Amino acid sequence: SQQGEEDPQALSIQEGENATMNCSYKTSINNLQWYRQNSGRGLVHLILIRSNEREKHSGRLRVTLDTSKKSSSLLITASRAADTASYFCATDGTSGSRLTFGEGTQLTVNP
Amino acid sequence: DTAVSQTPKYLVTQMGNDKSIKCEQNLGHDTMYWYKQDSKKFLKIMFSYNNKELIINETVPNRFSPKSPDKAHLNLHINSLELGDSAVYFCASSQWADTQYFGPGTRLTVL
Repeated sequence: SQQGEEDPQALSIQEGENATMNCSYKTSINNLQWYRQNSGRGLVHLILIRSNEREKHSGRLRVTLDTSKKSSSLLITASRAADTASYFCATDGTSGSRLTFGEGTQLTVNP
Repeated sequence: DTAVSQTPKYLVTQMGNDKSIKCEQNLGHDTMYWYKQDSKKFLKIMFSYNNKELIINETVPNRFSPKSPDKAHLNLHINSLELGDSAVYFCASSQWADTQYFGPGTRLTVL
């Protein structure tokens, strides 16, 4: 199975601090995506990093990808209370559109 | 404006009933998906359709039958509902293996 694993399962920080979440996966990928899910809502796409990329930025988000270690990290800088949500990584295999999700990290940002 | 919409948002029903969930996307995507999110927030793909053709069919009981009348719609019909079917069901769409956009989810409760 290509199921991703996220680490930590839960993270609680103060507003203004940085939050780092990690994701590991098992097989070769085309790309890796990060999604956010607010409580009771659908998933919102944050960022996609392709297998030939090592780092990508989008606003306060920074994603890294190490295909040799089959791992990725999501860094949220200068966190805000509104960043409180579950964060999931998702990978797709080399054969197409199937996404396999990790178990998610629950981030709580305290005001 | 809504990109991926699902109806209903909430569905409460008795064991043994048959129910349907509808999904529509107005993004012009060629691929649509159904995911199931369990109580531990684990997201698992159930089905995927590309241009109205079934391309992913995970190990899902055959009580679940997807139907895609056209590229913009993917409905999920569930026969003989069981307690274990209680979950949040998400529809998503993408342009083949590109970013997937998720609907708001349908919370199904089987009593």
